[in-house]
Amino acid sequence: SYVLTQPPSVSVAPGQTATITCGGNNIGSKSVHWYQQKPGQAPVLVISYDSDRPSGIPERFSGSNSGNTATLTISRVEAGDEADYYCQVWDSGTDHLFWLFGGGTKLTVL
Amino acid sequence: EVLLVESGGGLVQPGGSLRLSCAASGFTVGTNYMNWVRQAPGKGLEWVSVIYRGGSTYYAASVEGRFTVSRDISKNTLFLQMNRLRPEDTAVYYCARDLPASDWGQGTLVTVST
Repeated sequence: SYVLTQPPSVSVAPGQTATITCGGNNIGSKSVHWYQQKPGQAPVLVISYDSDRPSGIPERFSGSNSGNTATLTISRVEAGDEADYYCQVWDSGTDHLFWLFGGGTKLTVL
Repeated sequence: EVLLVESGGGLVQPGGSLRLSCAASGFTVGTNYMNWVRQAPGKGLEWVSVIYRGGSTYYAASVEGRFTVSRDISKNTLFLQMNRLRPEDTAVYYCARDLPASDWGQGTLVTVST
């Protein structure tokens, strides 16, 4: 079965750039979506279809996807960006169809 | 404004059943893909089920044969019937709209324990 691999944690100082990766076999051939989840809250979609930013999401959030790695980049990181981030793809086959989430990455703002 | 409100969670013994509801407003559940996603305490997100606009349903392998997703368009509500519950089903259950999920409810906690 398909597996998405994320680093458990990423730390960055305020004002710097955070890079969160999501690895998967030929993930560049799939559409990747990213969610932000703060403690006690429901997830929020921050990047869809590799690099599209939903309405209301700051331009500081961007995404890319190629080869075996998709990347979420947060520029000029702020304290309010501290959260768990999950990548997600849609996987399908002849006998199955489902969403798949990565294990999540905890972003710590130092 | 889109709003999703889950209900029906609670404490249930292993082997028991529970029915979750997700009341929607601001859109029609029958015209969107509707999903259930769960999160065990301290763990990551796990997709549970989806019901397509046309009514097709799909499940994660971990719940296949035990959970059933359905909807009542007249009530604009999504349901998740959970049978033969196991301790590992303990989680906050979220309903979410569309693929990818643009809107989420606040979640309802299901605890399976003696």
